[in-house]
Amino acid sequence: EIVLTQSPGTLSLSPGERATLSCRASQSVSSSYLAWYQQKPGQAPRLLIYGASSRATGIPDRFSGSGSGTDFTLTISRLEPEDFAVYYCQQYGSSPRSFGQGTKLEIK
Amino acid sequence: EVQLVQSGAEVKKPGESLKISCKGSGYSFTSYWIGWVRQMPGKGLEWMGIIYPGDSDTRYSPSFQGQVTISADKSISTAYLQWSSLKASDTAMYYCARHDGGNSPGLLWGQGTLVTVSS
Repeated sequence: EIVLTQSPGTLSLSPGERATLSCRASQSVSSSYLAWYQQKPGQAPRLLIYGASSRATGIPDRFSGSGSGTDFTLTISRLEPEDFAVYYCQQYGSSPRSFGQGTKLEIK
Repeated sequence: EVQLVQSGAEVKKPGESLKISCKGSGYSFTSYWIGWVRQMPGKGLEWMGIIYPGDSDTRYSPSFQGQVTISADKSISTAYLQWSSLKASDTAMYYCARHDGGNSPGLLWGQGTLVTVSS
């Protein structure tokens, strides 16, 4: 089973700043089958990025993903007020399709 | 409209059985995988398993194998998650999600079903 470790656990930033979230896998993620989700309180997760770097339909271009193998990054170039939420990475290349423990992005 | 609609919140006692549902509409239900995800109160997402309604091919996370049963009734475009004997530790929000292929993430999500198990 692939274990995903996200860092930091909490990230405190201000609107307009750049956010960099990390996801490290315990073994190589097959074919970069790595996704990022955003979850706001009381809502279902929303897919942001798939295939490590492809934005899902309707996702603003301030969200970008990068990485391969065992190290992946989600970058939000300029934070908007609606971006403060919890972010999860997930690998879906091997079973079980594990999630990271999440990074909470909070307003500073 | 393409959507997944989950059944309503449940309050059960330990030892009781439960089956919650996830109904797909607006698309060919048998052509997409449906996965289930658990979120315990205040905690992160946990992948439970996935089913292909076209042929009922089902895979489970080892953490949930034997603890739950995932099934689907393609005649009514509905996937299910069921327990034969609930425990207090099953208290959580459960989400279903549609996957566009065998190796694809969850793009379309249900609204979630809150299950509360308490004596």
